[in-house]
Amino acid sequence: IQMTQSPSLLSASVGDRVTLSCKAGQNINNYLAWYQQKLGEAPKLLIYNANSLQTGIPSRFSGSGSGTDFTLTISSLQPEDVATYFCQQYNSWNTFGAGTKLELK
Amino acid sequence: QVTLKESGPGILQPSQTLSLTCTFSGFSLSTYGMGVGWIRQPSGKGLEWLANIWWDDDKYYNPSLKNRLTISKDTSNNQAFLKITNVDTADTATYYCARSIVLPTLDYWGQGVMVTVSS
Repeated sequence: IQMTQSPSLLSASVGDRVTLSCKAGQNINNYLAWYQQKLGEAPKLLIYNANSLQTGIPSRFSGSGSGTDFTLTISSLQPEDVATYFCQQYNSWNTFGAGTKLELK
Repeated sequence: QVTLKESGPGILQPSQTLSLTCTFSGFSLSTYGMGVGWIRQPSGKGLEWLANIWWDDDKYYNPSLKNRLTISKDTSNNQAFLKITNVDTADTATYYCARSIVLPTLDYWGQGVMVTVSS
């Protein structure tokens, strides 16, 4: 199942509300996760089952969507949120999106 | 505290077999619902899932690589393994292992090990 993330690069200011998109090539129900990967580090699980916040992740992160269209929202961007964000579908095998690189404006 | 650490050969030649080891602590692969996955990432590129192994020895492979992959585990020594046969330069990447619980999401990751395929 192909996963398409947009935009590939996003510039935003501290305090902005940021929305990242992930679209699946077919219905994946709610079997979608979001990961954050900072430069030189392993990915970190943020959201699973489309909208469940992983333990220890700040509440400014939230996920929504179902079927084929999903969104990761950061309610108030912080400097430490600069990273690349990947979505993963696990409805059929596992596929990752190509990522959205989030930088500060 | 859950930790995972990958180890591998660093560099190998085309056509050789890549053998990777994931040594973990803080959980057991004999516990219901536990799993370990392997994922790789070429430098500057995205993530590619390779394989998963579960507590009941169920195994799942990326269909595009299935013929070249073998995943296994040693429950007694808290290790999981991945072999990739007939490597070529396209297999050059950082290889990660990560834990799964019931769902194939990956909640704890190792630091990754770089593998270079070069003649």
